[in-house]
Amino acid sequence: DGGITQSPKYLFRKEGQNVTLSCEQNLNHDAMYWYRQDPGQGLRLIYYSQIVNDFQKGDIAEGYSVSREKKESFPLTVTSAQKNPTAFYLCASSTRQSSNTEAFFGQGTRLTVV
Amino acid sequence: SQKIEQNSEALNIQEGKTATLTCNYTNYSPAYLQWYRQDPGRGPVFLLLIRENEKEKRKERLKVTFDTTLKQSLFHITASQPADSATYLCALDRQGGGNKLTFGTGTQLKVEL
Repeated sequence: DGGITQSPKYLFRKEGQNVTLSCEQNLNHDAMYWYRQDPGQGLRLIYYSQIVNDFQKGDIAEGYSVSREKKESFPLTVTSAQKNPTAFYLCASSTRQSSNTEAFFGQGTRLTVV
Repeated sequence: SQKIEQNSEALNIQEGKTATLTCNYTNYSPAYLQWYRQDPGRGPVFLLLIRENEKEKRKERLKVTFDTTLKQSLFHITASQPADSATYLCALDRQGGGNKLTFGTGTQLKVEL
């Protein structure tokens, strides 16, 4: 089945630690995105990538880093510089050929700082 | 930047009735608008897309309208069922093109027996 797989589903981070969230897709999509969701707030864009080896900052990129070495993979690292990392993280992908296509989302990773 | 307003209060309706959710936006007019469904602890799932030159779009029990003059989209679920209970998100494309989306906070719908 085609889709997006995020792992792990739950992640606990200690203060000062970097953690990496995995996102893999087999939809052959060029574009991939990372969003953060907090209670009472809409999804906020962290980083996005339109093509392999290229990515751009979104609205709240501070304290995060990404890489796009393969078309299928777009991992997100939450660094110790992110002061409030506890949130629900969502990865998405879409085609790039048209500007009005749907986004496919993974099932999310819930990150908690302990 | 674009601001999207969705009713933050939960909408409770009786099974069989029509649910109507509202999405209002400010600033620039988007080229298209999308609606997603999100269940607790899960990622959003795409439902419908409507373009700026379309006034209405239907898919089974779902209907979306897009009024660029009022800067508003309405999302209707007819003959609602308890299984329709979820949070519904409105999303708009961003100025400048591309597939980046701006999402509203969502409206929680509860369909009661």
